[in-house]
Amino acid sequence: EVQLVESGGGLVQPGRSLRLSCTASGFTFGDYAMSWVRQAPGKGLEWIAFIRSKAYGERTEYAASVKGRFIISRDDSKSIVYLQMNSLKTEDTAVYYCTRDDYYWGQGALVTVSS
Amino acid sequence: EVVMTQSPLSLPVTLGQPASISCRSSQSLVYSDGDTYLNWFQQRPGQSPRLLIYRVSNRDSGVPDRFSGSGSGTDFTLKISRVEAEDVGVYYCMQGTHWPRTFGQGTKVEIK
Repeated sequence: EVQLVESGGGLVQPGRSLRLSCTASGFTFGDYAMSWVRQAPGKGLEWIAFIRSKAYGERTEYAASVKGRFIISRDDSKSIVYLQMNSLKTEDTAVYYCTRDDYYWGQGALVTVSS
Repeated sequence: EVVMTQSPLSLPVTLGQPASISCRSSQSLVYSDGDTYLNWFQQRPGQSPRLLIYRVSNRDSGVPDRFSGSGSGTDFTLKISRVEAEDVGVYYCMQGTHWPRTFGQGTKVEIK
C-alpha cells in the first residue's frame, strides 16, 4: 500500500526557516517524481514544487511564489522528499501536502508563520 | 503562467440531479506529445485532495462512473450525472502541461 507521511510542520517566525519531510512507502521511491502542493487556511490548492527522479537528473520546478526561497530535494536511500523553506513569510502559512503522480497524497503538514 | 478559471465557484445541487463545472485555461493545454494534461480533483471537507480524472477524460481507479470529464484545447468540463451526498466538497481542475502547474480556484459543491 502506498503511503506518504509529511512531518516537520509547526509554528515559525517570519524570516526563519523550516524543513518538511515526506516519507514514502509501498513503492520504489526512486522511480517516481514527487511534488509539494499547499493550501492556505480556507483557500484553494497551490502547486509549489516538483522534483524528477534520478533517471531524469532530479531536475526541479517551482512556483514563482516560492522560487528562490524554497528548495525541494530527495533522498532515495531513505525514500524521503524534502521541502526546505527559507525566508518564510506570513503568507506561507498553509497545509503542505506531498503527492506522487497527483494520485497519492499525504495527510498534510500544517506550517504556521507568525510572530 | 497559465491561468485556470473555473465556473461556477459555488454550485448548490439537488440530490440525484446532474452537475457541471467548467474550467478554462489561458493557453492551450495540448502538450508536444499530443496529450492534454488536465486533471480534476475532489477535496471533501477535512480530507486531502483526491484525483478523479486525469488527461481530460480518464477516470482514476475507484472513481464512480457518474463522474466524467470532457473538453479540449482550453475548455474543459467535469460532469456528475447524479449527485450523491458523498459528492459534497470542492472540485479543482489543474493543468500539468506547462510549468508551473496551476490549479483553478475551486468549485464548492453543496446539496440544496
